[in-house]
Amino acid sequence: DQQVKQNSPSLSVQEGRISILNCDYTNSMFDYFLWYKKYPAEGPTFLISISSIKDKNEDGRFTVFLNKSAKHLSLHIVPSQPGDSAVYFCAARSGSARQLTFGSGTQLTVLP
Amino acid sequence: ETGVTQTPRHLVMGMTNKKSLKCEQHLGHNAMYWYKQSAKKPLELMFVYSLEERVENNSVPSRFSPECPNSSHLFLHLHTLQPEDSALYLCASSPSRQGVNGYTFGSGTRLTVV
Repeated sequence: DQQVKQNSPSLSVQEGRISILNCDYTNSMFDYFLWYKKYPAEGPTFLISISSIKDKNEDGRFTVFLNKSAKHLSLHIVPSQPGDSAVYFCAARSGSARQLTFGSGTQLTVLP
Repeated sequence: ETGVTQTPRHLVMGMTNKKSLKCEQHLGHNAMYWYKQSAKKPLELMFVYSLEERVENNSVPSRFSPECPNSSHLFLHLHTLQPEDSALYLCASSPSRQGVNGYTFGSGTRLTVV
C-alpha cells in the first residue's frame, strides 16, 4: 500500500505561470516532508522540505504547503521556467522508521 | 558531481550472469541506501546500511545481495536476475538515518536484464 501518493503522473505549464504539484499521504506518523527534483540520467536532488510543525516553507521561487488535517502537501513554483522541467518526487519521513518513503513522481513540463 | 558516485552508469546482463553495482560517497555520511526506480512507480527502498547495521526490505528477492565494507562504499551484487529487475538503481547517503537533512543521491545505474 502506497503511503505517499502523487496522483498526477504529468503536468504541463506555460513559462511564467505557476506550477502546483500535489502529494497525499496516509501515515499520520510522518513528521518531515521533502521534495526532490530529477532530471533524466541524473539522480534526484533535494529541493525543499517542511517539518510537520509548520504549514509553509518558502525558498525563492519554491514554496511547499502542508495541510496536516487533509494529509496533503503541495509544491508551488512561481514563476515556472523551462529549466524546471523534470520529475518531482515527494518524500516523507517517519521518526520511527528513520527512512524516507517516496511517491511515484510527477513529470513537470514547462512550455516556453 | 554530487558526492555520491555510482558505477557503472549502464549495465546489460543476461539472466545467468553475476555482476555488481558500486557506490562510493565522499561526504562523510554514516548511512547509505539502495533504491530501485521502475517506470511510473515510487522509489522503492531495498537496503539501508547505517554504522554497519543492515536493514532490509523483506520484499527484496535474494538474487540481490548488498555489501557495505565501510561507511564510504556500498555494493549491490546481482545474480540470476529476471527481466522485471530491469530498472534504475539509485544509491543514496545521508549523515545519519535519523537526520532531517535528506539524502544525496548518485546518478544511478540503468540496468537491463535480457
